Amino acid sequence: QSALTQPASVSGSPGQSITISCTGTSSDVGDYNYVSWYQQHPGKAPKLIIYAVTNRPSGVSNRFSGSKSGNTASLTISGLQAEDEADYYCSSYRRSTTLYVFGTGTKVTVL
Amino acid sequence: QVQLVQSGAEVKKPGSSLKVSCKASGGTFSSYAISWMRQAPGQGLEWMGGIIPVYAAANYAQKFQDRVTISTDDSTTTVYMELRSLRSEDTAVYYCAKVRLGGWLDAFDIWGQGSPVTVSS
Repeated sequence: QSALTQPASVSGSPGQSITISCTGTSSDVGDYNYVSWYQQHPGKAPKLIIYAVTNRPSGVSNRFSGSKSGNTASLTISGLQAEDEADYYCSSYRRSTTLYVFGTGTKVTVL
Repeated sequence: QVQLVQSGAEVKKPGSSLKVSCKASGGTFSSYAISWMRQAPGQGLEWMGGIIPVYAAANYAQKFQDRVTISTDDSTTTVYMELRSLRSEDTAVYYCAKVRLGGWLDAFDIWGQGSPVTVSS
């Protein structure tokens, strides 16, 4: 049961926009609109920033946005800020005994 | 607002068992699903399984279904995750998390603080 594929690292300068991809299969990302994204700072628990592909929980900055096309979901961070430097994980519900699968994780660096 | 508070750090011997607790406060305990994830040092997140207390029926990831048991104590609104036959590769931080809406499918909106576990002889 392989993980969703994310780039290992993405970087950008303050104020720029970056996009992180998350590639799955027709059994997970491609079949369900239940892709979520999590931000994790070192030593901290993950924090939900996007749910159901495009939705932001209350209190999450509108600089974070999500989308999906086919088997690939994407997270865009616009107006990059120093505090956005963290690890980001996607996740999807999966049609399987293993109900959820996470992405391999992407380290975002603010230059 | 639901809060999840986990048990503390543990050191275990290979071959032994581990039981981590996750106490929920706020909300209606029995109606939402609680999952367990783990994160090995420097690695990504991995879903292990979960339970919806009102149904008391757990779902397990294929990788762990022979070694893990997830249970609940409704009287204390606590969810437990037991992992047996520990090996060094089980060294990780273990997290519990609540599914945003009732049932499965949705995202994990509330997370516990994590329980670090070291498996070493």
